[in-house]
Amino acid sequence: DAKTTQPTSMDCAEGRAANLPCNHSTISGNEYVYWYRQIHSQGPQYIIHGLKNNETNEMASLIITEDRKSSTLILPHATLRDTAVYYCIVRVGNYGQNFVFGPGTRLSVLP
Amino acid sequence: KAGVTQTPRYLIKTRGQQVTLSCSPISGHRSVSWYQQTPGQGLQFLFEYFSETQRNKGNFPGRFSGRQFSNSRSEMNVSTLELGDSALYLCASSPGQSYGYTFGSGTRLTVV
Repeated sequence: DAKTTQPTSMDCAEGRAANLPCNHSTISGNEYVYWYRQIHSQGPQYIIHGLKNNETNEMASLIITEDRKSSTLILPHATLRDTAVYYCIVRVGNYGQNFVFGPGTRLSVLP
Repeated sequence: KAGVTQTPRYLIKTRGQQVTLSCSPISGHRSVSWYQQTPGQGLQFLFEYFSETQRNKGNFPGRFSGRQFSNSRSEMNVSTLELGDSALYLCASSPGQSYGYTFGSGTRLTVV
């Protein structure tokens, strides 16, 4: 699985958009980009994933660059409950491949 | 729809003992994975099961083992516990396609 690089930590004001970047320059053509988050002492929570196209769901938007070497997770209106560690993972889409979690980005949403 | 259920939530064991952790996946999910999370190493993959077969295994010693039953429920076992096995053990299930995994709340194991 390709490695990812994320900033160690970020701050965001409550109500503003949180933009979390992820670099995955060695991603291969059949690898998806997944985002998870983990709130303290809970299991990781699935947020969104994509292959090539931008994706949006009720939680967030995922913007993948045309060359697929980087992506950005966007939380459109961050709340205090969005404070968590966010993990960007790339993985081949078919099952049988484990997720490799890096250290992630610790997002702090400030009042 | 019930989520991934892990039991017990907390467990305290003594060095040298063995422990069995249980995971009930979301109904219909046939793939179950296990992860260990510690402050020093982060989230590390242990193993993954699909239809009672282990398909993928992480870099852990043989003291760590698992199995999956015909109803997709899974157990993991750690024998001869060491202090370093103290961790949050997470189970995750998936329908088995390109979807993400749904994680349980974990079992926090403390070895004393």
